Amino acid sequence: EVRLVESGGGLLQPGRSLKLSCAASGFTFSDYYMAWVRQAPTKGLEWVAYISYDGGSTYYGDSVRGRFTISRDNAKSTLYLQMNSLRSEDMATYYCARLRYAMDAWGQGTSVTVSS
Amino acid sequence: DIQMTQSPSFLSATVGDRVTINCKASQNINKYLNWYQQKLGEVPKRLIYNTNSLQTGIPSRFSGSGSGTDYTLTISSLQPEDVATYFCLQHKSGYTFGAGTKLELK
Repeated sequence: EVRLVESGGGLLQPGRSLKLSCAASGFTFSDYYMAWVRQAPTKGLEWVAYISYDGGSTYYGDSVRGRFTISRDNAKSTLYLQMNSLRSEDMATYYCARLRYAMDAWGQGTSVTVSS
Repeated sequence: DIQMTQSPSFLSATVGDRVTINCKASQNINKYLNWYQQKLGEVPKRLIYNTNSLQTGIPSRFSGSGSGTDYTLTISSLQPEDVATYFCLQHKSGYTFGAGTKLELK
């Protein structure tokens, strides 16, 4: 069974940094591109970033480019999202997703609250 | 960037109704279009990928169609468990989600 478990969310002030993790199991992690997708409260879904099989290529949405960094550790089957210079508009539930014809499996999400 | 316009935003229908939800892309997305269902408090679930391929385990009352810039999700006979918000997603160039359609029972 495919399982994606996010962690690392929390409450923090604007301008601070946070690193999210996503532990994958039930499939060969290194065989898949992976992504982060977020959903602000009562809002729709927004793609944040995605990464190639070996981490050699990364892609970012316009709203986070230059502030967020996606990475992966295939030996640990873990995906990461380093978020810097956080803003109130970054407040959302962050989902880790496996990519096969776009997002085909999702984690339960981890909540990030940005507030002073 | 490719923009996705989803309609309607809200839909009220009766059990047994045929329901259609539409997404229009700002440019040709060559059938790189998926549909997702998100029930309240749950994670999004993929229903359809690449316009008309049914995800394993999804009931056959769900189907997708379209080409070019215009795509449709159809529920052939609405069931109570289909109450949810539905999103389209283009994956031809990056990823863009539609704004969602909230489906409720009349």
